[in-house]
Amino acid sequence: ETGVTQTPRHLVMGMTNKKSLKCEQHLGHNAMYWYKQSAKKPLELMFVYSLEERVENNSVPSRFSPECPNSSHLFLHLHTLQPEDSALYLCASSQEGLAAINEQFFGPGTRLTVL
Amino acid sequence: GDSVTQMEGPVTLSEEAFLTINCTYTATGYPSLFWYVQYPGEGLQLLLKATKADDKGSNKGFEATYRKETTSFHLEKGSVQVSDSAVYFCALSDPNQGGKLIFGQGTELSVKP
Repeated sequence: ETGVTQTPRHLVMGMTNKKSLKCEQHLGHNAMYWYKQSAKKPLELMFVYSLEERVENNSVPSRFSPECPNSSHLFLHLHTLQPEDSALYLCASSQEGLAAINEQFFGPGTRLTVL
Repeated sequence: GDSVTQMEGPVTLSEEAFLTINCTYTATGYPSLFWYVQYPGEGLQLLLKATKADDKGSNKGFEATYRKETTSFHLEKGSVQVSDSAVYFCALSDPNQGGKLIFGQGTELSVKP
């Protein structure tokens, strides 16, 4: 595997379910990101991890819980979601966290539908 | 705060037509500018970037010039192909804002044969 991978690619869950999204990067990067992409809206940065430490949390509801056990893996744990949380969730990685000239490499995303 | 504004889509063109997608920005610092492309069913890929005024980023026939005087970074291609059909995102990274990527809302391009 190369680049940034995400699993699952599609997820349908009820509002009372608990599920997790997984991201893995094979690029040797130090920083990882979660974004939310909703229809007709700009990408929203949710969380940033740099060297496994959370450095950014953009007022994301507590029903989204990130975890970064090492610099190659990032999880997004989901519980008691709402239908408006349905979106494409994108993971990205970069060599450094939040640097000015900082190319981010994106995974293909997980399409989440909350019923 | 910083922001990026792109022309609304969808943009529909015939193959070999000239493409322009407008992008303007506001930033408190001196940002770097990027164009990302998202093909159907995929994540975003960096298309090109420019880090200072008058820089021209180019890749795969696409070009964009960093215009500080007009705070713009318009994307152009002289002859589009069907395979260019995708959503294009303009973005900035402002060192005064911790270097976060701030994206525009995206412009969908559809190229017909």
